[in-house]
Amino acid sequence: RKEVEQDPGPFNVPEGATVAFNCTYSNSASQSFFWYRQDCRKEPKLLMSVYSSGNEDGRFTAQLNRASQYISLLIRDSKLSDSATYLCVVNTNAGKSTFGDGTTLTVKP
Amino acid sequence: GAGVSQSPSNKVTEKGKDVELRCDPISGHTALYWYRQSLGQGLEFLIYFQGNSAPDKSGLPSDRFSAERTGGSVSTLTIQRTQQEDSAVYLCASSSRSHQPQHFGDGTRLSIL
Repeated sequence: RKEVEQDPGPFNVPEGATVAFNCTYSNSASQSFFWYRQDCRKEPKLLMSVYSSGNEDGRFTAQLNRASQYISLLIRDSKLSDSATYLCVVNTNAGKSTFGDGTTLTVKP
Repeated sequence: GAGVSQSPSNKVTEKGKDVELRCDPISGHTALYWYRQSLGQGLEFLIYFQGNSAPDKSGLPSDRFSAERTGGSVSTLTIQRTQQEDSAVYLCASSSRSHQPQHFGDGTRLSIL
């Protein structure tokens, strides 16, 4: 079993749709969590950190469920520019990072 | 300000040669990570440096791979006796300290002929 697992998708949604991604992790001692986006043939870029209380940044909402060991990302009112691969990242208590393999999103007109 | 800088951007070499990849992290960042990403695949963790602590080398795929970080700043990843399966994009990232967001360089695209 992988340490961090994501549904690879692809998710194909129309503009304006709401889409949600989940990510599960196996190490219960994990301490910090992030979502990144990666465009084709580009480096990953931080989308948002994930806090225990949940957090929102504009159209994006991230949540953490420690009991069930998953994090989620909700995108509302999808834009064409949201098309990318979304990576969840989990850091162990020692600081080592594990990336999920990513979920691909395509937003269509 | 300056971000993470990696060099070279592209490297083409023959099987069996040694290669050295360089990463210049954001100034003041104590944590530095190396990953590799094959085409269409996710990021594979290679090695992690945090301050003066011993690096976490648990992701290095074989003893042909090594990395060092001099003076807590610049890092080099060395691959000896390269094989075709080493072809990938090698990404470096740094963060202000562990558990903080990572900032990535543009990567080095390595092709082994």
